[in-house]
Amino acid sequence: EPEVTQTPSHQVTQMGQEVILRCVPISNHLYFYWYRQILGQKVEFLVSFYNNEISEKSEIFDDQFSVERPDGSNFTLKIRSTKLEDSAMYFCASRQHATGFQGAKREQYFGPGTRLTVT
Amino acid sequence: EDQVTQSPEALRLQEGESSSLNCSYTVSGLRGLFWYRQDPGKGPEFLFTLYSAGEEKEKERLKATLTKKESFLHITAPKPEDSATYLCAVLTNYGGSQGNLIFGKGTKLSVKP
Repeated sequence: EPEVTQTPSHQVTQMGQEVILRCVPISNHLYFYWYRQILGQKVEFLVSFYNNEISEKSEIFDDQFSVERPDGSNFTLKIRSTKLEDSAMYFCASRQHATGFQGAKREQYFGPGTRLTVT
Repeated sequence: EDQVTQSPEALRLQEGESSSLNCSYTVSGLRGLFWYRQDPGKGPEFLFTLYSAGEEKEKERLKATLTKKESFLHITAPKPEDSATYLCAVLTNYGGSQGNLIFGKGTKLSVKP
């Protein structure tokens, strides 16, 4: 069964360093997302991406964050200058193209996550 | 503001003891309600999508239902392997955009043998 994969599973970095989190979405999916979950808190939306551009972003997704789809399979989240409060699990998700309300499949499939620890 | 509230926060059951988890929502335009299962240190695993009031979905010991204000996840005769955190999320109508998921805090279910 196709699944979303993420690398690395755990990343430790020092405050102020840049990190790149990588995701391979399900191959026939066209919508891509990043979410994060701080320990013990809700899963929070960061950004959505469709047709090679950002569709929506939350207030969390400020100028230190960027996303890219460098080729036909990878989807990346870059944090330019990490802060202590960026420590969290980061989840990538993908969704099939919705063909209309009737029969539309809007569920998002999540990867296993990358645990980011900023020291 | 769109909100999703889940209750209880934690639920302990004996194996075979059926129960229900609640998800109440306040959204401007519901485009879908989703149930996920999350094991510790893992990503959310998709369970069900519900689109309209009155809809029901079943999978093994789980059954999800939806009304205009809330959804229930019914667990019948649970087993220890059903222990996990169950997340509810809504996809709202942002008029022309694809929307994003708004999650509740989850219900942590523990099933003792």
